[in-house]
Amino acid sequence: AQTVTQSQPEMSVQEAETVTLSCTYDTSESDYYLFWYKQPPSRQMILVIRQEAYKQQNATENRFSVNFQKAAKSFSLKISDSQLGDAAMYFCAYRSVYGGATNKLIFGTGTLLAVQP
Amino acid sequence: DTGVSQDPRHKITKRGQNVTFRCDPISEHNRLYWYRQTLGQGPEFLTYFQNEAQLEKSRLLSDRFSAERPKGSFSTLEIQRTEQGDSAMYLCASSVGNNEQFFGPGTRLTVL
Repeated sequence: AQTVTQSQPEMSVQEAETVTLSCTYDTSESDYYLFWYKQPPSRQMILVIRQEAYKQQNATENRFSVNFQKAAKSFSLKISDSQLGDAAMYFCAYRSVYGGATNKLIFGTGTLLAVQP
Repeated sequence: DTGVSQDPRHKITKRGQNVTFRCDPISEHNRLYWYRQTLGQGPEFLTYFQNEAQLEKSRLLSDRFSAERPKGSFSTLEIQRTEQGDSAMYLCASSVGNNEQFFGPGTRLTVL
């Protein structure tokens, strides 16, 4: 079974600075998707960024980028130029791509990010 | 269309009572998921529908839990004989095939 581990329960960053959130995962599959989701306080979860395992190039979305290390099974999220609106719980998630799978998401326990003005 | 909606947003009930939650997915999304999120944890998969067919249920879904998606539109999740351990946020998500899952705001259940 696949597992996702986020070892940083809380992180803090100054506004306009850069922060990196860590995620490791375990799987025996060779192809899969990885995601970072953002869950602001009392608001619904939204997708920040996704990475297909077969792609070597790291995904980027504006100020958000990932460092995907397939061999190490590591998938970190870098947030550049942090803004107050980035304060939220961030979840790393895994999804299988194989036929017959429900493509359910498997989540880590989350990292609560605080942004200091 | 404004996204996935869930009703109610909050539910407080006494132990032993039955509760039912509703999820309205984004129009034309054929897949619908239920997840449960307890305090300090990430969401955990409960069950999944493709159109009206329930194709997978997690072992977390005891026989007190039942979910339906009649006509492949909205879905309901019912918990019978609630227990304090059922207290959690229940999240619904929908997608078109294998594409991005869009989440609703969740229903927070408190069992006293």
